[in-house]
Amino acid sequence: AQSVTQPDIHITVSEGASLELRCNYSYGATPYLFWYVQSPGQGLQLLLKYFSGDTLVQGIKGFEAEFKRSQSSFNLRKPSVHWSDAAEYFCASTGGGNKLTFGTGTQLKVEL
Amino acid sequence: DAGVIQSPRHEVTEMGQEVTLRCKPISGHNSLFWYRQTMMRGLELLIYFNNNVPIDDSGMPEDRFSAKMPNASFSTLKIQPSEPRDSAVYFCASSSRTSNEQFFGPGTRLTVL
Repeated sequence: AQSVTQPDIHITVSEGASLELRCNYSYGATPYLFWYVQSPGQGLQLLLKYFSGDTLVQGIKGFEAEFKRSQSSFNLRKPSVHWSDAAEYFCASTGGGNKLTFGTGTQLKVEL
Repeated sequence: DAGVIQSPRHEVTEMGQEVTLRCKPISGHNSLFWYRQTMMRGLELLIYFNNNVPIDDSGMPEDRFSAKMPNASFSTLKIQPSEPRDSAVYFCASSSRTSNEQFFGPGTRLTVL
């Protein structure tokens, strides 16, 4: 069965600092990979997705993620964090079908 | 487009009562998903439909939970009888046949006393 691991439960960064959120997946073939963001009391919003092709994908709000098959990783990055980026971030994958498997989430706190 | 619409946004009920959560997917989407989010278990897929047909209900906790999709624009998730451990945020999501991207509704926060 496929699984998604987000090793960091909480991360705190200063506003303006760079950010990297880690995600590892477990799946035999190349999965479809996603990053979602959830603000308090809100639903999930898709930041970016990877299906195939260029391993560096750009998303909304200045986020990007890089697929690394050798490390089974799909880490999310942002060069300069804004206070409004404080939220919970979820990595998710499918094996090409409809069923999304989510990681446990990483809560991002931004210090002003 | 209004996005995925869920109602009610908040529901407080007493143990043993029936609870019905509602979802209207994005027009034209043919897949609909119900998720539950709790602190302990995170985001769990309960059931999903393709073209109004339930495809995978392996995540439905027990017989107290049931879901229906009578047409392409409406789905319900029913809990009968409800229990305090059902307290969670329930999300509905939909996707189109041409994309694996799921669009989430704002969720229903259920509290069972």
